[in-house]
Amino acid sequence: QQQVKQSPQSLIVQKGGISIINCAYENTAFDYFPWYQQFPGKGPALLIAIRPDVSEKKEGRFTISFNKSAKQFSLHIMDSQPGDSATYFCAASILTNAGKSTFGDGTTLTVKP
Amino acid sequence: GAGVSQSPSNKVTEKGKDVELRCDPISGHTALYWYRQSLGQGLEFLIYFQGNSAPDKSGLPSDRFSAERTGGSVSTLTIQRTQQEDSAVYLCASSFHGGVGYTFGSGTRLTVV
Repeated sequence: QQQVKQSPQSLIVQKGGISIINCAYENTAFDYFPWYQQFPGKGPALLIAIRPDVSEKKEGRFTISFNKSAKQFSLHIMDSQPGDSATYFCAASILTNAGKSTFGDGTTLTVKP
Repeated sequence: GAGVSQSPSNKVTEKGKDVELRCDPISGHTALYWYRQSLGQGLEFLIYFQGNSAPDKSGLPSDRFSAERTGGSVSTLTIQRTQQEDSAVYLCASSFHGGVGYTFGSGTRLTVV
């Protein structure tokens, strides 16, 4: 099963709050988990990615938490800003198998001033 | 160029006509992907090219869809006898190594009327 399930579909957060987006996967062969950020009219842009050998990766205000046993990973955006308002996609791929990514359905984040 | 370039940015076509969408990947990127994004939906994998290997066409929705990549660089996605359900944003991405951190273009918005 190549499906990646993402939730919530939409999220509204106050400025300065924490935004949390969750993804779950089925295929235990997945070994690369990126998150992409997409603004209207633009293609998705790589935000941050994690391999399953670590449980957490942080880059600035963005953190990925990874739970291998639960087959879940999440994106946390600390001190959310209105400029973070965008659609976020999680993805999963198998790097040794050409790496074509399976994407979640996306989460539309709105950060209110 | 510095990024992935797609043309045209917008295409309106009549049902039954053929269309060609072009993707110019980042120089040196050996992997090239086509995805389709319908309104409010996630990214649907279409086809993947890696170097000189045979392409992975497993995501093409019907035999009306085809793609080629010439000289390991520019790619063209062709949709024959377009249908209204083909209306979507077609995104191209490339990566230096298959699966690790795609760079997406801004997409071609196809509208079939």
